[in-house]
Amino acid sequence: DGGITQSPKYLFRKEGQNVTLSCEQNLNHDAMYWYRQDPGQGLRLIYYSQIVNDFQKGDIAEGYSVSREKKESFPLTVTSAQKNPTAFYLCASRHRHGKETQYFGPGTRLLVL
Amino acid sequence: GENVEQHPSTLSVQEGDSAVIKCTYSDSASNYFPWYKQELGKRPQLIIDIRSNVGEKKDQRIAVTLNKTAKHFSLHITETQPEDSAVYFCAASFNYGGSQGNLIFGKGTKLSVKP
Repeated sequence: DGGITQSPKYLFRKEGQNVTLSCEQNLNHDAMYWYRQDPGQGLRLIYYSQIVNDFQKGDIAEGYSVSREKKESFPLTVTSAQKNPTAFYLCASRHRHGKETQYFGPGTRLLVL
Repeated sequence: GENVEQHPSTLSVQEGDSAVIKCTYSDSASNYFPWYKQELGKRPQLIIDIRSNVGEKKDQRIAVTLNKTAKHFSLHITETQPEDSAVYFCAASFNYGGSQGNLIFGKGTKLSVKP
């Protein structure tokens, strides 16, 4: 999982502002995922992408958007429509075929000013 | 919708004792069950996993058991050490919107091992 990087480590958002979280992997994984983690809530799926130029909504996609223009990159934008964005955001990836093991990046903590 | 229930939410044991964390899942088609360990502020890391064609798997002090009929699986940690203190998540595979390979996670168990 050392091949998955996320930046920045901490991110501060002002009211009404869109912010973008970066996720990059050099593991040649096909599928990539974004999760939101709140205390006591486990990991909840925001968006996922099985292949380039395709992505699907997860359980809590409202107020978020993604793109998958390159296999290595899956950025997440937290829009102003997301009214409670403070959380720990985790990106994960896995091979599309074979074992379903997901490997996680180090996470980005988003805070609202 | 599909879900994974995990118990207990917190667990405190003495060093050297065993710890058991239990999960139940709702999707009978789930066939892959990983366990992750997450230390404070860090990423979840896979510690052990099991497929539905196997009833038990062991790796040193860690073991996982699976009961497909009852749809539950458990993590067993023997001879616990203070460095085992962390939050542990179970997960089950499921098909989301027709896409295979997604995971649904339990809410986590905070394990504290007291020296």
